[in-house]
Amino acid sequence: AQTVTQSQPEMSVQEAETVTLSCTYDTSESNYYLFWYKQPPSRQMILVIRQEAYKQQNATENRFSVNFQKAAKSFSLKISDSQLGDTAMYFCAFLNTNAGKSTFGDGTTLTVKP
Amino acid sequence: ETGVTQTPRHLVMGMTNKKSLKCEQHLGHNAMYWYKQSAKKPLELMFVYNFKEQTENNSVPSRFSPECPNSSHLFLHLHTLQPEDSALYLCASSPAGTGDEKLFFGSGTQLSVL
Repeated sequence: AQTVTQSQPEMSVQEAETVTLSCTYDTSESNYYLFWYKQPPSRQMILVIRQEAYKQQNATENRFSVNFQKAAKSFSLKISDSQLGDTAMYFCAFLNTNAGKSTFGDGTTLTVKP
Repeated sequence: ETGVTQTPRHLVMGMTNKKSLKCEQHLGHNAMYWYKQSAKKPLELMFVYNFKEQTENNSVPSRFSPECPNSSHLFLHLHTLQPEDSALYLCASSPAGTGDEKLFFGSGTQLSVL
């Protein structure tokens, strides 16, 4: 079974600064995807960024980038130039491609302060 | 908007009531999911439907009964619930069969069982 651990229940950052959210996972699979989802106060979870395990290059989406360390089973999310709208709960998720279902971490609540 | 719509947004019910949650997706996806999100706990996968067939029942009590009449609609029928069933119930969909199972979530139904 896969497990996903987010060790930071809450974090805060000043507007325009950079923040990194941590995620580690445990799996014996070699073929999988990793995701970061954002859940703002409106409750609707949306995908922030996705990483394929077979790709060595770290995924980036505008101000969002990941540091994927496959050997260490680490998948951190870096948010640059933080904006007030980034305030949300962030979930790290692991997808076992063979099983076709995702496992989520406990989430990190991020507050961006003006 | 993610293309996944859930109704109602809020629901309060007594332990003897029968109610249903509805989820509809307009994305042409073939897989649909029910997740339970409780305070201080990670998202719990409840049910998975692929091409209208239930492929996952994650040891969910029988007081929760899913129904998937077609690949665009998913219901969760509730009866004789317990107060500990109070939670946010999230519906999600994904393309299915592509190996890239990015999830698209609805806004959830906040359920309170009195």
